[in-house]
Amino acid sequence: QLQLQESGPGLVKPSETLSLTCTVSGGSISSKSHYWGWIRQPPGKGLEWIGSIYYSGSTYYKPSLRSRVTMSVDTSKNQFSLKVTYVTAADTAVYYCARHPYNAEVPYYFDYWGQGALFTVSS
Amino acid sequence: DIVMTQSPDSLAMSLGERATIDCKSSQSVLYSSNNKNYLAWYQQKPGQPPKLVIYWASTRESGVPDRFSGSGSGTDFTLTISSLQAEDVAVYYCQQYYNTPYTFGQGTKLEI
Repeated sequence: QLQLQESGPGLVKPSETLSLTCTVSGGSISSKSHYWGWIRQPPGKGLEWIGSIYYSGSTYYKPSLRSRVTMSVDTSKNQFSLKVTYVTAADTAVYYCARHPYNAEVPYYFDYWGQGALFTVSS
Repeated sequence: DIVMTQSPDSLAMSLGERATIDCKSSQSVLYSSNNKNYLAWYQQKPGQPPKLVIYWASTRESGVPDRFSGSGSGTDFTLTISSLQAEDVAVYYCQQYYNTPYTFGQGTKLEI
């Protein structure tokens, strides 16, 4: 059974960098049939896609976040990561990592999700 | 960006009733080359991650009860729960994956 687990410091100061890692178990992040994505959800609000990455390092980012977001993949550790720079209170959210199937087009829907981790921006 | 708009924002039903949630996209998510609608539905219960319910607008995810069904094409879609059960209380989201940035509807809260 595929499992994804987010990790990282739960509290970040304004203007600093938020760093998250998603560890994949029960499957390989090097799968040619999947992309790996990040989605966030501010407390009490809806879902926002941030970006997605392929095992090769190919990425898609949400344009409005592109200047502050970097995603990377470490196939040796079966992990992928997200960095968000210059954070503000608006970046406070539960961050989810998720998998999406891929078939030579854009990646598709999200079929497996991590449990999510709350990251708070506060001084 | 494709804007996804759900209606209603909230819905209160009785056990055993039929519930319908609508989702409208600001542009078609039907890919003409394969005649597939790039639309998914998710269920999110409190304190849990979203769970995939329907993809390709009408394909039920493995393990999802058959009381859940999806319909629609182009820009207008519906999630139907044929006979509401207590465990169906959740927020439901539609999502388009026709192009990036992937976008979600604002959510519909389903209550008993």
